[in-house]
Amino acid sequence: GEDVEQSLFLSVREGDSSVINCTYTDSSSTYLYWYKQEPGAGLQLLTYIFSNMDMKQDQRLTVLLNKKDKHLSLRIADTQTGDSAIYFCAGVFGSSGNTGKLIFGQGTTLQVKP
Amino acid sequence: DVKVTQSSRYLVKRTGEKVFLECVQDMDHENMFWYRQDPGLGLRLIYFSYDVKMKEKGDIPEGYSVSREKKERFSLILESASTNQTSMYLCASTFSTGYEQYFGPGTRLTVT
Repeated sequence: GEDVEQSLFLSVREGDSSVINCTYTDSSSTYLYWYKQEPGAGLQLLTYIFSNMDMKQDQRLTVLLNKKDKHLSLRIADTQTGDSAIYFCAGVFGSSGNTGKLIFGQGTTLQVKP
Repeated sequence: DVKVTQSSRYLVKRTGEKVFLECVQDMDHENMFWYRQDPGLGLRLIYFSYDVKMKEKGDIPEGYSVSREKKERFSLILESASTNQTSMYLCASTFSTGYEQYFGPGTRLTVT
């Protein structure tokens, strides 16, 4: 079955770049997402990438997709204290059909130190 | 502004009680989902529904059931709550594959 893995914790200093990594097992991924969860809130979509893309940039966010290694990363440039949150990698895989069903990683807690 | 609402933010129930968690979306989405979120485990899919009165089991359906009588409303039912069902429950909805999945704020359920 599909599996999505993330490291659980990342700590950076304010102003540095953060890189959050994700690996997945099912090569039939079609869409890959990054969600952000702030304390006490639901998940908010940050960005996404189609499986036929290698890179997507959106302001401070850069998503890189290495399909050969089944590796997805999210880079946050000039990380701010407001970026402190849990970041989830998620994917739609072939077996999901048109249901929109997502498989989530465990979430990476990003701690930004002033 | 699109919205997914959940009936309660915090809920405390006793072991053996029947628990209803309600979710409502105002986006006319076909697909709705119930997840539970536990630290270090991420989000795990309990059940989802792709149409009114249609449902499919997710990865951890044991101890749960669902109901979708109207398109906008998806209910999660714990038939007999147990302490291992203490968790954060998140509802989500989406139009279809490739579209954003919108989440509610979550219900933190404690079973004592």
